[in-house]
Amino acid sequence: NAGVTQTPKFRVLKTGQSMTLLCAQDMNHEYMYWYRQDPGMGLRLIHYSVGEGTTAKGEVPDGYNVSRLKKQNFLLGLESAAPSQTSVYFCASEQGNNQPQHFGDGTRLSIL
Amino acid sequence: LAKTTQPISMDSYEGQEVNITCSHNNIATNDYITWYQQFPSQGPRFIIQGYKTKVTNEVASLFIPADRKSSTLSLPRVSLSDTAVYYCLVGDEGSGAGSYQLTFGKGTKLSVIP
Repeated sequence: NAGVTQTPKFRVLKTGQSMTLLCAQDMNHEYMYWYRQDPGMGLRLIHYSVGEGTTAKGEVPDGYNVSRLKKQNFLLGLESAAPSQTSVYFCASEQGNNQPQHFGDGTRLSIL
Repeated sequence: LAKTTQPISMDSYEGQEVNITCSHNNIATNDYITWYQQFPSQGPRFIIQGYKTKVTNEVASLFIPADRKSSTLSLPRVSLSDTAVYYCLVGDEGSGAGSYQLTFGKGTKLSVIP
């Protein structure tokens, strides 16, 4: 099993460009999450999903959109990238019932 | 949501036992306590989870006193590879609702010195 795979690992964007980050999990987990982590900070929840076809806002959702069309995939979109969105983005999945979250290795995104 | 407080950083020499304490004064009856470890340039990794008393696995031990207002992660005989950030999380996922209620704070940065 690959676990949680994030694509791409690195990306540089110009302000105003759009892009989509892909998260794929092969553990048949119901719940999936997108976090961002800035230097010296903990992880902040952007959006999450409790099942296929459902999404919800987390702590810092502005400027991002998500979709969960398939159970194994959770996409994070930046509609119009801004320098404030420069960060490392982590995806996680979870079975539920107080089971631990499984994280990907992150996507390092720089916006110039 | 139960708020957690843990030290910003700790230093330890190799071979020593390290104890990281997390305070969670307003922990709720159904809340679990979960610890994650994060290495640079990697996502967090689950270490241990407990509800009360003591839990031990191959990596660490978790001590939870009777009042559950704090918990202590114990790492036996640390090595350089244990240098990482450790996060304490407290929350209740409810009836299979997922752990989206959990919040990662800044964690404790553990530095192991040769």
